[in-house]
Amino acid sequence: NAGVTQTPKFRVLKTGQSMTLLCAQDMNHEYMYWYRQDPGMGLRLIHYSVGEGTTAKGEVPDGYNVSRLKKQNFLLGLESAAPSQTSVYFCASSYGGFMNTEAFFGQGTRLTVV
Amino acid sequence: ELKVEQNPLFLSMQEGKNYTIYCNYSTTSDRLYWYRQDPGKSLESLFVLLSNGAVKQEGRLMASLDTKARLSTLHITAAVHDLSATYFCAVDTVQGAQKLVFGQGTRLTINP
Repeated sequence: NAGVTQTPKFRVLKTGQSMTLLCAQDMNHEYMYWYRQDPGMGLRLIHYSVGEGTTAKGEVPDGYNVSRLKKQNFLLGLESAAPSQTSVYFCASSYGGFMNTEAFFGQGTRLTVV
Repeated sequence: ELKVEQNPLFLSMQEGKNYTIYCNYSTTSDRLYWYRQDPGKSLESLFVLLSNGAVKQEGRLMASLDTKARLSTLHITAAVHDLSATYFCAVDTVQGAQKLVFGQGTRLTINP
């Protein structure tokens, strides 16, 4: 079982460069999420999606864009990377709605912006 | 704005001892989740608590939820080294949306 898979696992960017992080899930989940994890701050929600073709802002959306063209994929884009975006990024998915289940997380992408 | 606070943030304990991690949250919610994270790894779901008074146990870990007090606890019984990890609680901001707000995490170190 693959679950939630993130690509890439590590990346170093120069300030101003752009990149896209890919998240894929094979559990037929409706909801998908992007979080960032910084030391001492837990995980903070960047953007999320409640279904194919829909996206919404989370707690810290500035500097990021997302797309959900297919149900199984959720892409996170950085148009012009900044050092403040150095973080570990986690994708998650869940059935959502009123299903009483938890969110499942990918293995994370460690991004460094220099 | 929902805020979730864990206490303590760091905990070092000896094997065989008992301890409790506390998770307080600031607004009404009846869905609370506990996750475990090992260094450099992803988050692993431990417990899903969905109603006031809910109690769940798995091995040496037991979690409970008091929605009136806006408090969840994660109790560790007779700790063993393998339980060393960072533990996060997370609360749903909107029922059904699973927009989780996480606590800062409790880094637990269990010494032989």
